Amino acid sequence: GAVVSQHPSRVICKSGTSVKIECRSLDFQATTMFWYRQFPKQSLMLMATSNEGSKATYEQGVEKDKFLINHASLTLSTLTVTSAHPEDSSFYICSAGRQGEPQHFGDGTRLSIL
Amino acid sequence: DQQVKQNSPSLSVQEGRISILNCDYTNSMFDYFLWYKKYPAEGPTFLISISSIKDKNEDGRFTVFLNKSAKHLSLHIVPSQPGDSAVYFCAASYNSGNTPLVFGKGTRLSVIA
Repeated sequence: GAVVSQHPSRVICKSGTSVKIECRSLDFQATTMFWYRQFPKQSLMLMATSNEGSKATYEQGVEKDKFLINHASLTLSTLTVTSAHPEDSSFYICSAGRQGEPQHFGDGTRLSIL
Repeated sequence: DQQVKQNSPSLSVQEGRISILNCDYTNSMFDYFLWYKKYPAEGPTFLISISSIKDKNEDGRFTVFLNKSAKHLSLHIVPSQPGDSAVYFCAASYNSGNTPLVFGKGTRLSVIA
């Protein structure tokens, strides 16, 4: 069964809207969660590393003020795309891992900004 | 600069035969490698992994081979089944679990009945 749950699976909204995506680890406490983004025909690219109780670490080129990440508990991380624009349309996916085990992924969120 | 490369975007194999998916990497600091399988509209599902201290890991029909000197790994599926048809991603990291993964672009495997 799924060990990482991600919601919503699909969002279609107008330009300028803020969108929140939730990622929950169901079977274990994840001190670290990761947010990736995938554009068509490209690989999954890491956006940020989310650490419980501390600020996220963002990859170069990812705007931290645009992609707000909160990791308030050991089972929940959220990604908020603020004032989304059409170029933010993409497939966003989270993962959770713990030492000695492979990362498990959510089913992703398809974000479409009109 | 892509650190993990899957040079074959697609592969077609007949049912019952062996599927071989290849992956190359450039960063010699990677020490943990994984294969994920992805169906449309779903997240990647972990398939098999290998640590750099090994050169082979087997799990049922799936075997991963690692050639550190060539910075190459491959996934063998035998016998291939129609349900194996999916996109396969190779990923690498510096450690298991709590470090980010670097992914290849994926190879779409089609197993023909």
